[in-house]
Amino acid sequence: DVKVTQSSRYLVKRTGEKVFLECVQDMDHENMFWYRQDPGLGLRLIYFSYDVKMKEKGDIPEGYSVSREKKERFSLILESASTNQTSMYLCASSYTGTNYEQYFGPGTRLTVT
Amino acid sequence: AQSVTQLDSQVPVFEEAPVELRCNYSSSVSVYLFWYVQYPNQGLQLLLKYLSGSTLVESINGFEAEFNKSQTSFHLRKPSVHISDTAEYFCAVRVRGAGNNRKLIWGLGTSLAVNP
Repeated sequence: DVKVTQSSRYLVKRTGEKVFLECVQDMDHENMFWYRQDPGLGLRLIYFSYDVKMKEKGDIPEGYSVSREKKERFSLILESASTNQTSMYLCASSYTGTNYEQYFGPGTRLTVT
Repeated sequence: AQSVTQLDSQVPVFEEAPVELRCNYSSSVSVYLFWYVQYPNQGLQLLLKYLSGSTLVESINGFEAEFNKSQTSFHLRKPSVHISDTAEYFCAVRVRGAGNNRKLIWGLGTSLAVNP
């Protein structure tokens, strides 16, 4: 089974802190994605990566950056956390060849106080 | 631009009743279609997908969806729901032959609440 893991299920940070969310997949997928999920707004794509060291902005990249130094790992960085970044963050991965299906991690619920 | 509309944000239903969760999409080109499910406190998982061939697709837990090209719809149905079907359901599309565009376009989700 494909497994996508996220470093934390719950995280509480203070305004202004630098926050790292880590995601690891074990199926050699080329593509990895970071979403945030908010009530009434569904899933919104923050960033995605289709290869090591490659990244593309999604729909809401402001306030975030990403890093992909190894194929299995995709990190989301909040340079200076703000209260409006309190949300559920979901990581996903997929193949390129038949990349229709995205496999999701369990999510990280981040609270910024 | 493509978009996905899930017509109901919440669907309450009694156990063993039938249910339909509606999804319409807007696209001038051919698409692939998906339904994902998110159980409480979990990530999303694929429920079923339409890529080509038969327009009726089924999941292992009794859900089915039918691709209707003329109505640009992909509604999800189950003839008899269980308490364990309580979850958030998301419809998504991907444009065929989109090259490097690996993104899915997501609906806002439908919360299915099955009551005893």
